Amino acid sequence: GESVGLHLPTLSVQEGDNSIINCAYSNSASDYFIWYKQESGKGPQFIIDIRSNMDKRQGQRVTVLLNKTVKHLSLQIAATQPGDSAVYFCAENIWDDKIIFGKGTRLHILP
Amino acid sequence: NAGVTQTPKFQVLKTGQSMTLQCAQDMNHEYMSWYRQDPGMGLRLIHYSVGAGITDQGEVPNGYNVSRSTTEDFPLRLLSAAPSQTSVYFCASSYATGGNTEAFFGQGTRLTVV
Repeated sequence: GESVGLHLPTLSVQEGDNSIINCAYSNSASDYFIWYKQESGKGPQFIIDIRSNMDKRQGQRVTVLLNKTVKHLSLQIAATQPGDSAVYFCAENIWDDKIIFGKGTRLHILP
Repeated sequence: NAGVTQTPKFQVLKTGQSMTLQCAQDMNHEYMSWYRQDPGMGLRLIHYSVGAGITDQGEVPNGYNVSRSTTEDFPLRLLSAAPSQTSVYFCASSYATGGNTEAFFGQGTRLTVV
């Protein structure tokens, strides 16, 4: 089975509001986590990553939070825009070099 | 700089046929991998390679073979296609795992097995 999963399959957010996408993982040996964005008909695109020795990492309009105690990470998107509509995947790099993806969350932006 | 190139983009196969999905990258990345994406299942790792001459199995390797004779190319072979292999296939490459492992994905190959 998959060791990475998401709490919600679909998330609807008002344009301009902040979005929070959650992800749970089960492998405590994972040391690297990545968020990807996939637009319709395209391959996944890297958004941001975080290592297990960090709790938070910020990018442009995006922040990833990692809580190792409860094996949870989240992706926060500030001031959500129509172009943020996509499916978002979290992925983890486990000890034997595999990168395993979760099922994904579809983000809908409401006008 | 083309990045990761997958061919073909679309393919229809009959059950039992064999074919090779091509993947090439021009970024001199060591790590390459193949995923399949089915509705509601996310991306599942089929096979991966940490360098030329080295391959290993992912989550769902059955029915697929890979080889890595060069750094640039990582073809995926379907030995005897089955309807269960109908999916969208993505190839990815990255500089390394454990380090800066931003992965770059190809545009995908949509395969239908009838």
